[in-house]
Formats: sequence, structure tokens, C-alpha cells
Amino acid sequence: EAAVTQSPRSKVAVTGGKVTLSCHQTNNHDYMYWYRQDTGHGLRLIHYSYVADSTEKGDIPDGYKASRPSQENFSLILELASLSQTAVYFCASSVQNQAPLFGEGTRLSVL
Amino acid sequence: GDSVTQTEGQVALSEEDFLTIHCNYSASGYPALFWYVQYPGEGPQFLFRASRDKEKGSSRGFEATYNKEATSFHLQKASVQESDSAVYYCALSDLSSGQKLVFGQGTILKVYL
Repeated sequence: EAAVTQSPRSKVAVTGGKVTLSCHQTNNHDYMYWYRQDTGHGLRLIHYSYVADSTEKGDIPDGYKASRPSQENFSLILELASLSQTAVYFCASSVQNQAPLFGEGTRLSVL
Repeated sequence: GDSVTQTEGQVALSEEDFLTIHCNYSASGYPALFWYVQYPGEGPQFLFRASRDKEKGSSRGFEATYNKEATSFHLQKASVQESDSAVYYCALSDLSSGQKLVFGQGTILKVYL
């Protein structure tokens, strides 16, 4: 069964610290995405990738980096976490002409 | 840039009521339109999509019709159940840019017995 697995499921980080959110899929999907969910904003695209070793900026990339070391893995990196980055983060994967499949999310609290 | 607007932030209904959630979009191209549903503690789940004008998408009793002239893709269900309580998202994707989704703000649906 197709699945997207995110880790950790929740995390508390300190302001200024480094945070890495991980995403793993075994669906043989080429496309992977990171979205951020905030109340009143829906989901917004941070970074995405169409192929391993290549990432692209989405609509709100500031303060975030992404890494795609293999087809299966896609990480989101917050080098200097800030209070404003408290949110729920979702990873998704897809192939061309197929609706993206989402993971269960990572709840990040920056204190 | 492209955008999606959902008119209702929250909808409260009784079981067996008729549901409409309004979705309007703005896009420079000819996008595909999607509905996703999200239950508490889970990620968004794909409900259905439509890619052409007048195409109807449907799943689990929900349906929506692509209206290019009105730039709309309104979600409807004839008779809601308590189990339909969730957050519903309308989204679009410009097919020329892969499957990147632009989401609306979401609509919280609460169905009471």
C-alpha cells in the first residue's frame, strides 16, 4: 500500500536551533513536496523536488532548506528555527498526472 | 499568482442535510481542480479531481463540477453523516508545473446528530 512516512510526528525546538524533518516514501514516486499548514491559510508549498539530488523553491521558502538525497527521502531543514515556524508540516509524493499522497504530518513547536 | 478561495470557514449541519462548500479559483492557465478531506491528526486525503470544463468529479457521495466560466468547483453532498465531519480543502494544480497544489483556506464541516 502506498504510504508517505514522516518523522518525527511531533517536535519541540528552541529558537535559533536547527531542526530537520524527514520524509520517506516507498511508492516509487518521482515528485516530493513539503507543505506548511497554518490555521486560516490552508497548506502552502515550501519546497519540492522532481528528482533526486535536486530541489526547487515553492511559494514560501524563506527560512527553510530542503534535501533530496534519494528518490525515497526528502528532508526539510530549519537552520535557525524561529517562533513563526511553529506549524504542522506535511510531506507528499506523487507521479505525473496523479494527485499527491500526503503523510500524517509533523507538529513543530518552536519555543 | 494562482489562488483558491473557499467562502465558508466553517459549516454546521445536521445529519441528512444537504452540503455545499463554495470554491472559486483564479489561474492564468487551465488548471486541474481537486478536493481533499482531512480528519483530525491525519494528513489530507485525496477525494477527487476534475481536469476539464464541465467534468464532474465524485467520491464517497461527494461531487463537484468544473465550471470554467464561473471559475468554480463547489463541493456538494446530498445527505451528510456525522462521520463526514472534517476539514475540506479545494486546490488547483497547473498541469504545466507538475503536481504542485495551491490550496484554499479550508472549510471545517461539523455534522450533528
